[in-house]
Amino acid sequence: QQKVQQSPESLSVPEGGMASLNCTSSDRNFQYFWWYRQHSGEGPKALMSIFSDGDKKEGRFTAHLNKASLHVSLHIRDSQPSDSALYFCAASGSSGQKLVFGQGTILKVYL
Amino acid sequence: EAAVTQSPRNKVTVTGGNVTLSCRQTNSHNYMYWYRQDTGHGLRLIHYSYGAGNLQIGDVPDGYKATRTTQEDFFLLLELASPSQTSLYFCASLDRDNERLFFGHGTKLSVL
Repeated sequence: QQKVQQSPESLSVPEGGMASLNCTSSDRNFQYFWWYRQHSGEGPKALMSIFSDGDKKEGRFTAHLNKASLHVSLHIRDSQPSDSALYFCAASGSSGQKLVFGQGTILKVYL
Repeated sequence: EAAVTQSPRNKVTVTGGNVTLSCRQTNSHNYMYWYRQDTGHGLRLIHYSYGAGNLQIGDVPDGYKATRTTQEDFFLLLELASPSQTSLYFCASLDRDNERLFFGHGTKLSVL
């Protein structure tokens, strides 16, 4: 079983809508979480990190972390067609340790 | 932005063949990683390195060797390729200042 589980597998939202992606870890050693985004034909690119409980906002993107439940989410408001991509959640136990990735969520933003 | 270059972009080989995937980063990052990407599994870590001459075993190392010849160059070797190794391979380097991974564009490997 993967240590980092993402849901849903795929998601479709209209342009301007809100997209919500979820990630749950089964390893209580994980303390550091990231979201990566991969457009078709490219390598993944880091979107944002979250290390503390609560919300972290960067532009249209908000990450939320609950360490007690090992749950992290990513919310994209005012979704744009350019947000259509594969989104990965990743976790590690400490700074510099190897990252463990989830299986990914495909987001499609339609006009 | 950090630059990670992989070669080749595409590779086709036969079962039992010998394959070397190359990766170069030009940002003086010490940490480098090899991942494979498969639908339903996300990115899985094969091998990684903390610097020239150093090698660490990842989560799915069977059938793979790696070598870090310089700070810039990290190679992944498949000495007896099998169809199960057909995958998209990514190299990445880590910026320790912000703990951010920088990925290359990937190498698509097909083992027939």
